Amino acid sequence: QQQVKQSPQSLIVQKGGISIINCAYENTAFDYFPWYQQFPGKGPALLIAIRPDVSEKKEGRFTISFNKSAKQFSLHIMDSQPGDSATYFCAASREYGNKLVFGAGTILRVKS
Amino acid sequence: DTEVTQTPKHLVMGMTNKKSLKCEQHMGHRAMYWYKQKAKKPPELMFVYSYEKLSINESVPSRFSPECPNSSLLNLHLHALQPEDSALYLCASSQGGRGGDLREQYFGPGTRLTVT
Repeated sequence: QQQVKQSPQSLIVQKGGISIINCAYENTAFDYFPWYQQFPGKGPALLIAIRPDVSEKKEGRFTISFNKSAKQFSLHIMDSQPGDSATYFCAASREYGNKLVFGAGTILRVKS
Repeated sequence: DTEVTQTPKHLVMGMTNKKSLKCEQHMGHRAMYWYKQKAKKPPELMFVYSYEKLSINESVPSRFSPECPNSSLLNLHLHALQPEDSALYLCASSQGGRGGDLREQYFGPGTRLTVT
C-alpha cells in the first residue's frame, strides 16, 4: 500500500515531442504528489507538485494530470528539449508525516 | 532562495575511519532529512528531524548517526562503514507541517561517498 509504481523505466523522445511519464498508487491516504528531476551527479530538484483537489496543474512546459478515481497521475513535458534529458521521479506523501514515497524513476532522453 | 548545501562533495573513507557529512539550509525550514541513493534508484529515506528532534529513523544501522545541532544544520556521522554503504547521500529540507506546500522538500547536491 506504500508503493508508487512508475512507468516507463526509460523513454526516448524526439526534440519538440511530448514526454509522458505515468505513476499509480494504492494508498488513498496520499494527498500530495510531487515530481522531481535529477541530472547525473546532482540532487533531485522539485519540478511541480499537485494535490488531489485539482485534476491538472501546469507550469511552463510541465503539466501534471491527476485522476483521483483511478489513483493515477502523470507528468507531461511539452516541446521536449535535449536539456530535459534526466531521470524523473514521481512521489507521494500523506497529510500526516514527512515521508515521501518515490517511484522507481524514468530515464528520459530527448534526441536532437 | 531554495538552496541546501552539503559538504564535502566527495568522500573516500576506509572501513575503520570516522567521518561526518554536513548539510546546511537558511530557508527557515523546520524539517530536515537524510537520504541514501544508489545508482539508478530513487532516494531512500534514512532519517527525519522535525523541529530539531529526530522524528523518523528508517531502521538505519547504528554505524550512521545523525545530529541536528540547530534548525539550520544537519550532520551525519559515519563510523565503521561497509563497502555496500557507498552511495550518494542527500540532505533535504522542508518547511514542515501538514499542508501541501509545507511538505515541499528541497534537496542538496549530495555527497558522493566511497567506502574502501
